[in-house]
Amino acid sequence: EADIYQTPRYLVIGTGKKITLECSQTMGHDKMYWYQQDPGMELHLIHYSYGVNSTEKGDLSSESTVSRIRTEHFPLTLESARPSHTSQYLCASTLRDRGGQETQYFGPGTRLLVL
Amino acid sequence: AQSVTQLGSHVSVSEGALVLLRCNYSSSVPPYLFWYVQYPNQGLQLLLKYTSAATLVKGINGFEAEFKKSETSFHLTKPSAHMSDAAEYFCAVSDRNQFYFGTGTSLTVIP
Repeated sequence: EADIYQTPRYLVIGTGKKITLECSQTMGHDKMYWYQQDPGMELHLIHYSYGVNSTEKGDLSSESTVSRIRTEHFPLTLESARPSHTSQYLCASTLRDRGGQETQYFGPGTRLLVL
Repeated sequence: AQSVTQLGSHVSVSEGALVLLRCNYSSSVPPYLFWYVQYPNQGLQLLLKYTSAATLVKGINGFEAEFKKSETSFHLTKPSAHMSDAAEYFCAVSDRNQFYFGTGTSLTVIP
C-alpha cells in the first residue's frame, strides 16, 4: 500500500489567483502522476514524473505546471486560476512489486472551485 | 496504446442482488488489470488486481473479477450487493507500466 497525501482537500478561490496543490508520499516511489477528474467522469492524465527533475505532460492539455525537486513531493501549480479549472485533482504514485508489476495508488484528491 | 471499455456508465441493482460490472480491454498480450472504487469526494481505492497468478481474483469488500483472455474481459462481480457498495468503479489496464483507465461505471444500490 501507499500513503499519499494531498492538501488542501477543498479550495475555493477567485479568478486570477495563483494556487499550488500539494501532493506527497512517504514510500519513496519514483513515479508520480496528476489526474484531472470532473465529478463522476473519467480520469485525464495531465502530468507525470518518473523521478527527481523529471516531469512530462500527459494526454490532456493543461495550463498547470509541476515540479519534482524531491522524490516525495510533486506539487501542481496554476499561475492564474480560471473557472474552467474547476475540477477534482487526483495525485497518484506507483508501487513496483518484486515481479516488476506496477500498481497505482491514489491520494484523496483536491476539489477546486474557481469563482 | 491500450483502450479500456466499461459497458454501462450506470448500473442499478437491488440490495442483495448480484453485481456485475463489465470491462473489456484491447491487447494482444495479457496486460495487468485493475479495478478501483471511488466514493464521493474521495480518491480511487484499489479493489483488486490481476497479476497472472490466477484468472479469478478476489478483492476487498467481497468483490472478485475473472480474467478471460479469449474474451479480453475482466468483469467485476459481487454475489450480494450492499448499500455501501454504491460508488463509481473504474477498470484500468497497465501495459509496459503505462496506465489506462475506463470511463467508469456508477453503481446504484436500491434498498
